[in-house]
Amino acid sequence: AQKITQTQPGMFVQEKEAVTLDCTYDTSDPSYGLFWYKQPSSGEMIFLIYQGSYDQQNATEGRYSLNFQKARKSANLVISASQLGDSAMYFCAMSQQNAGANSKLTFGKGITLSVRP
Amino acid sequence: EAQVTQNPRYLITVTGKKLTVTCSQNMNHEYMSWYRQDPGLGLRQIYYSMNVEVTDKGDVPEGYKVSRKEKRNFPLILESPSPNQTSLYFCASSLRRTSGMNTEAFFGQGTRLTVV
Repeated sequence: AQKITQTQPGMFVQEKEAVTLDCTYDTSDPSYGLFWYKQPSSGEMIFLIYQGSYDQQNATEGRYSLNFQKARKSANLVISASQLGDSAMYFCAMSQQNAGANSKLTFGKGITLSVRP
Repeated sequence: EAQVTQNPRYLITVTGKKLTVTCSQNMNHEYMSWYRQDPGLGLRQIYYSMNVEVTDKGDVPEGYKVSRKEKRNFPLILESPSPNQTSLYFCASSLRRTSGMNTEAFFGQGTRLTVV
């Protein structure tokens, strides 16, 4: 079974500073994918970034980067130059990557990020 | 613009009155899925579909039906809604390669359903 753990309480960051949101995972599958989503107060789930278990380099998408440490089973999200619009709930998720397998996303409980002006 | 579109965004209904939540994606994704999000329980998968006419149960399928007659559409049907199905529902679609690699997973805007 797959499990995602997000244990940080609500996080606060000053506008324009960087922030790291922690995520650890557990799986016995050798092939998996890791995802981060943003859920603002309006409720939609916004896809931010993806990292494959066999990817050699950390994923980056604009101000988002994923600090992937496979041996530690961690996939932390780094947001650089925080903006007020980054205030939201952030979810870490993972899925199996085997042919024929259900690509179900297993989610963590989420972390609330508040950006201070 | 690549997107997953759900309708309606908000719905209040009464117990037992059949309803359908529609979901459509324009990315030619094979894999589609429905989740519900509840406080303290996170997101849980209801049903999924690997391709047209291929559907299967997720973790919490009771009380729900789905169909996948076309690649782009994946409606969620509640034949006889009950108050415990009050929740925030998401449709999602993924690009799924023959290797099984799934590198994109996009969600619809969500449907807030209240059953009274």
